[in-house]
Amino acid sequence: AQRVTQPEKLLSVFKGAPVELKCNYSYSGSPELFWYVQYSRQRLQLLLRHISRESIKGFTADLNKGETSFHLKKPFAQEEDSAMYYCALSLDNYGQNFVFGPGTRLSVLP
Amino acid sequence: EAGVTQSPTHLIKTRGQQATLRCSPISGHTSVYWYQQALGLGLQFLLWYDEGEERNRGNFPPRFSGRQFPNYSSELNVNALELEDSALYLCASSTVWGRRNTEAFFGQGTRLTVV
Repeated sequence: AQRVTQPEKLLSVFKGAPVELKCNYSYSGSPELFWYVQYSRQRLQLLLRHISRESIKGFTADLNKGETSFHLKKPFAQEEDSAMYYCALSLDNYGQNFVFGPGTRLSVLP
Repeated sequence: EAGVTQSPTHLIKTRGQQATLRCSPISGHTSVYWYQQALGLGLQFLLWYDEGEERNRGNFPPRFSGRQFPNYSSELNVNALELEDSALYLCASSTVWGRRNTEAFFGQGTRLTVV
């Protein structure tokens, strides 16, 4: 079955420190991975997707098919990065097209 | 361009009643998804509609149902409400290119409280 895991419920780092939010998936097909972010009192929104290979707000994520991972990284965390982050898997056939992980709450301390 | 809109913003119901939640997708989007975001449980997939048909549903009882109208807006109905149905219900929409969906855009959600 398709599944997305995010092992950390809460991750606290100091401002300026590197941050890595972990995401692992299980899927036998060709995955398309996303990171969604939900800032306080705002709607869930797309942060980045692996196929575009872009950096958004300093965040990057590389799809590692061997390790079935899609970790989100930023070299220097900012206080405004504090939010809930969800890793999501989009399937390539008719099914549950978006599978979300349980989410990781990132708290960047001053 | 208007984003995904959901109504009402808040809904308070009594246990045993029925709740109806509404979602208007972004213009041009044919797929609508419903998710339940209960406290501490993350996003749980409920239903997926595309072109007026239910394409898939998550692991929820049959009292969770919905439909999609010809204009692609959607309703989520929850019958025989239980206290644990209290949650934020999120709607998302996307286009479908071939057999793979693109980015999903989310609404602000409807906060359902069952008392």
